[in-house]
Amino acid sequence: GAGVSQTPSNKVTEKGKYVELRCDPISGHTALYWYRQSLGQGPEFLIYFQGTGAADDSGLPNDRFFAVRPEGSVSTLKIQRTERGDSAVYLCASSPGGGRPPYNEQFFGPGTRLTVL
Amino acid sequence: AQKVTQAQTEISVVEKEDVTLDCVYETRDTTYYLFWYKQPPSGELVFLIRRNSFDEQNEISGRYSWNFQKSTSSFNFTITASQVVDSAVYFCALSEANFGNEKLTFGTGTRLTIIP
Repeated sequence: GAGVSQTPSNKVTEKGKYVELRCDPISGHTALYWYRQSLGQGPEFLIYFQGTGAADDSGLPNDRFFAVRPEGSVSTLKIQRTERGDSAVYLCASSPGGGRPPYNEQFFGPGTRLTVL
Repeated sequence: AQKVTQAQTEISVVEKEDVTLDCVYETRDTTYYLFWYKQPPSGELVFLIRRNSFDEQNEISGRYSWNFQKSTSSFNFTITASQVVDSAVYFCALSEANFGNEKLTFGTGTRLTIIP
């Protein structure tokens, strides 16, 4: 079956521009996560959706970052006024959710490499 | 706050040697989950194992084995008879799994190179 897909695979933008990164989770997965991976580092949590709602956005670095999941499936991560420090690989993961043990593994997409010039 | 430490930044071994990747974690929760992920050069994270805090039994899956010791807050990963295809970056991760929120805290990763 289809895995998690992310588009675009690469995005180059100029400082100050607005970007949108898209994540298509595995069909039927209610939980969706965004992470950011800087060069040489492990992924860092940004935001968690359960269904349509952002249940935990404690990882968003500042108010330039925003994410939505209006229909409980596709999610878009939006970055305003991009800065060079935003350059990283943005990873999306989904899991079946359910909220009860045994918890489920997260299936990761290939990521979007964002470069801010 | 949670923290995962992978002190080994890079390891190189000759093919067929055994290699152990270390992982030490910190958490205040009594219920938590530990993971290992593999990130090959293609970049996509591949799930290897999940272990809950109440199960300290070691696990073996083919050439892979995991040693979980709560007393030392460690969750080490051993590859036996390494192969070139094992070359990748390996991440250890921790989740406190509160009310379905399974957000992961990752270590900085260990880059493993298997020399043919």
